Amino acid sequence: SQQGEEDPQALSIQEGENATMNCSYKTSINNLQWYRQNSGRGLVHLILIRSNEREKHSGRLRVTLDTSKKSSSLLITASRAADTASYFCATDAIGANSKLTFGKGITLSVRP
Amino acid sequence: GAVVSQHPSRVICKSGTSVKIECRSLDFQATTMFWYRQFPKQSLMLMATSNEGSKATYEQGVEKDKFLINHASLTLSTLTVTSAHPEDSSFYICGGNRAGSYGYTFGSGTRLTVV
Repeated sequence: SQQGEEDPQALSIQEGENATMNCSYKTSINNLQWYRQNSGRGLVHLILIRSNEREKHSGRLRVTLDTSKKSSSLLITASRAADTASYFCATDAIGANSKLTFGKGITLSVRP
Repeated sequence: GAVVSQHPSRVICKSGTSVKIECRSLDFQATTMFWYRQFPKQSLMLMATSNEGSKATYEQGVEKDKFLINHASLTLSTLTVTSAHPEDSSFYICGGNRAGSYGYTFGSGTRLTVV
């Protein structure tokens, strides 16, 4: 079953703007991860945030985690056309033996 | 960084034949490899967990006799789709976790088309 639910399902922005994607999940987690997938390609790990962390940065990426609301957000600042891809949140749930459960994904289109 | 090499990237096969997909961890030892499938414009659904030296663990609803998983070494896991049918057409992707790293490294995926 899917754990994460991202919103919006599709996002279209202009190059240079910021993109915010949200993810909600249902059970207690060890960590939450964000991945990127270009069309028809493999997954690229972007960032991981542990359950005891609230915010993390990596380059133009900023991820937050609110375990009380069971939600996370991924912010991509100063977006580029090359950021066009699908983005997935994935949870490593407690007791799940390190299995990752993916959300439905968000399709981000960055217009040049 | 950690790399998982997945082959083939694309395969077309006839109904009733079997297809083997390989995933190799090139610079780390993967005691566990996860196999997912993804239908067009959908999310990734976990099929099974491959464990080196032991039997794979399959998710509910996944036929273990149809999707054979072998993890004979710390660097190689294979998924064989047996007696493939058109409904098995999908994108299959493997991912492993390098010890000491929380992030997973995924292969580039295999697009299987059964005709």
